[in-house]
Amino acid sequence: QKEVEQNSGPLSVPEGAIASLNCTYSDRGSQSFFWYRQYSGKSPELIMFIYSNGDKEDGRFTAQLNKASQYVSLLIRDSQPSDSATYLCAVKGPGGGSARQLTFGSGTQLTVLP
Amino acid sequence: NAGVTQTPKFRILKIGQSMTLQCAQDMNHNYMYWYRQDPGMGLKLIYYSVGAGITDKGEVPNGYNVSRSTTEDFPLRLELAAPSQTSVYFCASSYLGDRGHSPLHFGNGTRLTVT
Repeated sequence: QKEVEQNSGPLSVPEGAIASLNCTYSDRGSQSFFWYRQYSGKSPELIMFIYSNGDKEDGRFTAQLNKASQYVSLLIRDSQPSDSATYLCAVKGPGGGSARQLTFGSGTQLTVLP
Repeated sequence: NAGVTQTPKFRILKIGQSMTLQCAQDMNHNYMYWYRQDPGMGLKLIYYSVGAGITDKGEVPNGYNVSRSTTEDFPLRLELAAPSQTSVYFCASSYLGDRGHSPLHFGNGTRLTVT
């Protein structure tokens, strides 16, 4: 059974600060890692994906992957109140069939305080 | 281009009733998925399809059935509804599925309550 773990939060940061969201996964063979943002009452939307060790930057967002530690993180720089949402980590496994589909963590609720 | 359309948005069922959640996409995606999301939890995969006529079970398929007669439509059937099926249901589609990194495009969700 694949597991994806996230701190549920809530995580509160002041406007302009860096928000750090963390995710660990159990399947060492996992290959692709995704961060989705979900506003309250809305559907998830993809922010970033990463599949190589290291950092990947897109605007104010940076995804970090460490496969040896089975750890993926999302950094949000210059946090804005509009970033307040639940952030879902999702992991794609190495096998076939349903094992290759995404496994989601339970999400971290982020609040950016004005 | 509507994306992924789900109907209904809300539904209340009595225990033992049945219903079909509708999902349609107009992006010509081969891959379609049904997820459920319980309060404070992540999404759990119920069923998925890699193309018309092909479906497979996900993590939590019990109590549900699906069909995929066309590329566009992927309805989810609940037979004999139970309180444990109270949840928000999301339909999603993607272009490359498990062969790539294409994002999931989600519908707006169906909030189902079984009492």
